[in-house]
Amino acid sequence: DVKVTQSSRYLVKRTGEKVFLECVQDMDHENMFWYRQDPGLGLRLIYFSYDVKMKEKGDIPEGYSVSREKKERFSLILESASTNQTSMYLCASRKGGRDHEQYFGPGTRLTVT
Amino acid sequence: GEDVEQSLFLSVREGDSSVINCTYTDSSSTYLYWYKQEPGAGLQLLTYIFSNMDMKQDQRLTVLLNKKDKHLSLRIADTQTGDSAIYFCAEWASNNDMRFGAGTRLTVKP
Repeated sequence: DVKVTQSSRYLVKRTGEKVFLECVQDMDHENMFWYRQDPGLGLRLIYFSYDVKMKEKGDIPEGYSVSREKKERFSLILESASTNQTSMYLCASRKGGRDHEQYFGPGTRLTVT
Repeated sequence: GEDVEQSLFLSVREGDSSVINCTYTDSSSTYLYWYKQEPGAGLQLLTYIFSNMDMKQDQRLTVLLNKKDKHLSLRIADTQTGDSAIYFCAEWASNNDMRFGAGTRLTVKP
């Protein structure tokens, strides 16, 4: 079974702090994604990566950056956290090519105070 | 429009059938999906349908696809309290991007 893990289930940070959210997948997937989930808005794509050191902006990249130094790990970085970044963050991975199934991690609920 | 749309709430009684509806945007979408999210958890792929099919059945789940109207539905037969969750509709769009609806919160009353 594919396993996607995220470093924290719950995180509380202060405004202005730098925040790192880590995601690891164990199935050698090429593609990895970061979404945020807000009530009534569903999932919105922040960034994705289709290979090591490659990244592409999603629909809402402002205020975020990402890092993919190793194939299995995709990090989301909030350079200076703000209260409007309080949300549930979901990481996902997909093999790539014609393999379309996307696997999700359990999510990190981030609260910025 | 650009959005995958689904109603936000559905409430049914245990043992009844639930039908969750979705309209999607891209007529050339190749795959359409239903994901389930239980409280405090990530999304779990429930089922998917290829765009050249109009129905798929998997135990208590039936997916119906109307390509002409770009309408997708998920029917859960004999709904149980364990089916209470948020259900997301998603499409695999022509630009290889997956687009999600806002999610339908299904509440099953005993």
